[in-house]
Amino acid sequence: GAGVSQTPSNKVTEKGKYVELRCDPISGHTALYWYRQSLGQGPEFLIYFQGTGAADDSGLPNDRFFAVRPEGSVSTLKIQRTERGDSAVYLCASSLTGGQPNTEAFFGQGTRLTVV
Amino acid sequence: EDKVVQSPLSLVVHEGDTVTLNCSYEVTNFRSLLWYKQEKKAPTFLFMLTSSGIEKKSGRLSSILDKKELFSILNITATQTGDSAIYLCAVDTYGNKLVFGAGTILRVKS
Repeated sequence: GAGVSQTPSNKVTEKGKYVELRCDPISGHTALYWYRQSLGQGPEFLIYFQGTGAADDSGLPNDRFFAVRPEGSVSTLKIQRTERGDSAVYLCASSLTGGQPNTEAFFGQGTRLTVV
Repeated sequence: EDKVVQSPLSLVVHEGDTVTLNCSYEVTNFRSLLWYKQEKKAPTFLFMLTSSGIEKKSGRLSSILDKKELFSILNITATQTGDSAIYLCAVDTYGNKLVFGAGTILRVKS
């Protein structure tokens, strides 16, 4: 696609529910990243995929968070038993090749998740 | 722990003013420093800096890196209302992830 696409753009869910956030990266980009941005803060790294595998998931805050990228393109971030503290904008980014200098990441518009 | 600190946190200027945004960092491994502009939700890429002392320029925006003193500045000359945004500084730490600062909120008044 022309850019990184994220759906939905907004999601309101009740505490305790399960949510899935989708990211469709730029076509041909092998590296995909998920970040979380809370109000008044910069984005915080969650997980990085190189192809289908999660090369670095050190930013996932706990085992309620999980992400997949089964075919090396679209990725889904899954949050179980949501808590009010999970409310944030979830940003996805992709780059042509991960782990290389001079390959900037392009960000999607994000999904604003609100847990009530 | 890797850390990126931006200052000021927010800034209000009038159209035509020149602004300087600051970014300092303390990281274990440094590969590059990046500046992004964030309007609404998506950060858009401005500059990537890898070498000290080499100014990168794009129109009214410019940026420079000092790897000895561990900081970078972003300058915007002749500001316009369309420059109003959050400016994010991030460091690529070889870990395939970016460490971001909290951002500087810039508001340009007409």
